[in-house]
Amino acid sequence: GAVVSQHPSRVICKSGTSVKIECRSLDFQATTMFWYRQFPKQSLMLMATSNEGSKATYEQGVEKDKFLINHASLTLSTLTVTSAHPEDSSFYICSARGGHEQFFGPGTRLTVL
Amino acid sequence: QQQVKQSPQSLIVQKGGISIINCAYENTAFDYFPWYQQFPGKGPALLIAIRPDVSEKKEGRFTISFNKSAKQFSLHIMDSQPGDSATYFCAASKKQAGTALIFGKGTTLSVSS
Repeated sequence: GAVVSQHPSRVICKSGTSVKIECRSLDFQATTMFWYRQFPKQSLMLMATSNEGSKATYEQGVEKDKFLINHASLTLSTLTVTSAHPEDSSFYICSARGGHEQFFGPGTRLTVL
Repeated sequence: QQQVKQSPQSLIVQKGGISIINCAYENTAFDYFPWYQQFPGKGPALLIAIRPDVSEKKEGRFTISFNKSAKQFSLHIMDSQPGDSATYFCAASKKQAGTALIFGKGTTLSVSS
């Protein structure tokens, strides 16, 4: 299957700081990337759909000013958690769509102190 | 409204046994049904997927059975092994480009040796 990378894999930050997470499709071009959030022992919650060159579409209840998404190229999307707070601590996973199939990155564990 | 319902929530199977996980969907516009396997701290990995024009798809020890009229699909893991212990998610999506997967709530499988 296709490879999707995420960086960093783990990040610990202080409350009030911003954190950027990168998602790259390594061997295919993805016009659409998705960002999910997963709490322990729960399913993946779709946060937003990111299309290359246009504004992201956010799911209901997701603050677009807090979770900034940029899809600057066909292989890179970034999620910036602005002014992070402890309740933003979670596992963030991106995915990229190649044809009908959707491939996931390894995830980023964010811990906000 | 939960569009993809998955059961059971957890499953314990003896080594060599058959693991069966079921999903039901509501939206008849869905036309792609993948199963993902996720280990703790990792991103989901695509296991096997099916389109509604076939009733069964087999890859190694993994089989998807699909019942279009009942709007149900299931994953069967034959000869279950301890290494299969993971969380399994069913999902569904529409054909249109850029549409996200809708996930079930997941099933935690434990295969005892």
